[in-house]
Amino acid sequence: QSALTQPASVSGSPGQSITISCTGTSSDVGGYNYVSWYQQHPGKAPKLMIYEVSNRPSGVPDRFSGSKSGNTASLTISGLQAEDEADYYCSSYTSSSTLYVVFGGGTKLTVL
Amino acid sequence: QLQLQESGPGLVKPSETLSLTCTVSGGSISSSSYYWGWIRQPPGKGLEWIGSIYYSGSTYYNPSLKSRVTISVDTSKNQFSLKLSSVTAADTAVYYCARHAQPSRDFDYWGQGTLVTVSS
Repeated sequence: QSALTQPASVSGSPGQSITISCTGTSSDVGGYNYVSWYQQHPGKAPKLMIYEVSNRPSGVPDRFSGSKSGNTASLTISGLQAEDEADYYCSSYTSSSTLYVVFGGGTKLTVL
Repeated sequence: QLQLQESGPGLVKPSETLSLTCTVSGGSISSSSYYWGWIRQPPGKGLEWIGSIYYSGSTYYNPSLKSRVTISVDTSKNQFSLKLSSVTAADTAVYYCARHAQPSRDFDYWGQGTLVTVSS
């Protein structure tokens, strides 16, 4: 069982917007602005899409945005495109004395 | 452009030690702003952080693996390494090396990954 909870799957049609949630606790998502989102296409390494809740690395389209409310972070993809179909993972800094960084279980995005 | 490349055996026998090395090019592993980590992904499953190391040798390990994991760094070769002992089939996974910032712990550069299969 992953430390952060994500829906197993979401879907949307081209041009639509979708949101993927990532729920943790006050020791991770809720306590710090250190939430990241990764996109992973089949057979490829994960790619950082959002860092520190809402910042986009250079080269990531502005269709990708991140936010946080309480213990839940969200990744929103607007203007959905076929190439957005992938697995998405969230991760967070954690203040747990035993852990260091925690990942969500991943969400499969299907573009219909 | 920073690049990371994993190397090591793709097949390891049960009870033996898995050993992988990550070679960093296009930048220095001794950068004061970053840590270097290992993450694995069993076939069809999610990501699991294994551990991270600073160029000074300071390490952090996932408690679920801590008793079997050793991560080390060789700054002269711009490399860091992973050793996982007493492996079982459950350790079969794609192993990635990656760089992350501190304290945000976002992994911004990743290796391509290497599949390690545990089987006799």
